[in-house]
Amino acid sequence: AQKVTQAQTEISVVEKEDVTLDCVYETRDTTYYLFWYKQPPSGELVFLIRRNSFDEQNEISGRYSWNFQKSTSSFNFTITASQVVDSAVYFCALSEPLIDRGSTLGRLYFGRGTQLTVWP
Amino acid sequence: DGGITQSPKYLFRKEGQNVTLSCEQNLNHDAMYWYRQDPGQGLRLIYYSQIVNDFQKGDIAEGYSVSREKKESFPLTVTSAQKNPTAFYLCARSVRSDRYEQYFGPGTRLTVT
Repeated sequence: AQKVTQAQTEISVVEKEDVTLDCVYETRDTTYYLFWYKQPPSGELVFLIRRNSFDEQNEISGRYSWNFQKSTSSFNFTITASQVVDSAVYFCALSEPLIDRGSTLGRLYFGRGTQLTVWP
Repeated sequence: DGGITQSPKYLFRKEGQNVTLSCEQNLNHDAMYWYRQDPGQGLRLIYYSQIVNDFQKGDIAEGYSVSREKKESFPLTVTSAQKNPTAFYLCARSVRSDRYEQYFGPGTRLTVT
């Protein structure tokens, strides 16, 4: 079963519009982390935010804000007053602990990404 | 950048040839990962390594091999057994004690014809 669902494959907006990218996840763990990454045309994934499962406070960073709701298993990302430079593929990811020989590290499950295009 | 160097950016090979993708990190972090990305797909985990001389298979390890002889280096070999090797390959690192954030390199786009 898909662990992270990003139902919006592509979104196009005009500059200065607000846009929300949806992310729904599935996990049986009580402790987990959620992430958003940005992939500009250059290809490198850029870390945007991490949220742990015990912290449902929304977060704002400049024009970016994130809404985490455990009741609906969603972690949505809103860009306010979008700019052309926001054009990229955005990935939502879920981390579950991966216990390997006594040590814990996290593995990431990625959604398929949402291609955001912001037109001038 | 994410503290990771991947080279080259673009790689072209003929079918049937093995090819090795480089991944180097300079931050003395323990954990390193290889992912594959296909168009319209999310990233899929190929291999990961927590410590030197140790690595584990991810979800799609068939047709790939890795080594971890040095902490800073985690090269990926795409063998001729990999049926669909053309893809974008991303290497990532994380600090073991960190809360699972992974930081990515610039990626290598491999084309096999």
